Amino acid sequence: QSALTQSASVSGSPGQSITMSCTGTTNDVTYSNHVSWYHQHPGKAPKLIIYEVNNRPAGVSHRFSASKSDNTASLTISGLQVEDEGDYYCAAYTTKSHWVFGGGTKVTVL
Amino acid sequence: QGQLVQSGAELKKPGSSVKVSCKASGDSFKNFVTSWVRQAPGQGFEWMGGIIPLFGTLHYAQQFKGRVKISADSSASISYLDLSNLTPEDTAVYYCARPSDLWSGYSTSDPFDLWGQGTMVTVSS
Repeated sequence: QSALTQSASVSGSPGQSITMSCTGTTNDVTYSNHVSWYHQHPGKAPKLIIYEVNNRPAGVSHRFSASKSDNTASLTISGLQVEDEGDYYCAAYTTKSHWVFGGGTKVTVL
Repeated sequence: QGQLVQSGAELKKPGSSVKVSCKASGDSFKNFVTSWVRQAPGQGFEWMGGIIPLFGTLHYAQQFKGRVKISADSSASISYLDLSNLTPEDTAVYYCARPSDLWSGYSTSDPFDLWGQGTMVTVSS
């Protein structure tokens, strides 16, 4: 199973909105409503921020929103803050009952 | 909500094997799939496989079949990852991950909102 494709990096100034993408195939992103997003700070374990395409776990900021269209999932961060820096990973549940992750997008707050 | 605590860092020779453990707190260990995910230095995550201890159900990623074994000791709430025939390309941080008991359990499609702290495995001669 090939990794999902994510843009390498995205940056923005505090208060701005940024969007990153996650592209897969008919066997994963297109097929699945189980698309998740994770945020990882350097040297730390990742944190779940979006599950089932566009749902936020309790305690996750409303500034995070997500969607999916065909084989591409997207994550938007509104009102960018310094603590939003780090790496963001998408993941999708596949037709083989496996999980596949993206290569990650590095977010920099200017 | 639970916690996952993993065993310590390992330094291994090429061709050898490594066993990493992941101990879960709480009462729901048997009902939730524990997955193993690795992250090579500077890279993304790679799902390796998972187990639902109650059923003994196992799933492995194709690229690891034949080299990986995931097991669970339900009495101790511990999951194990065994990886054999190690090469330097297996150098990575290995994480256990699972859904918390906020989810209903028994499903391999629930997301990972509980993660272990990670175990660094270095393979070098």
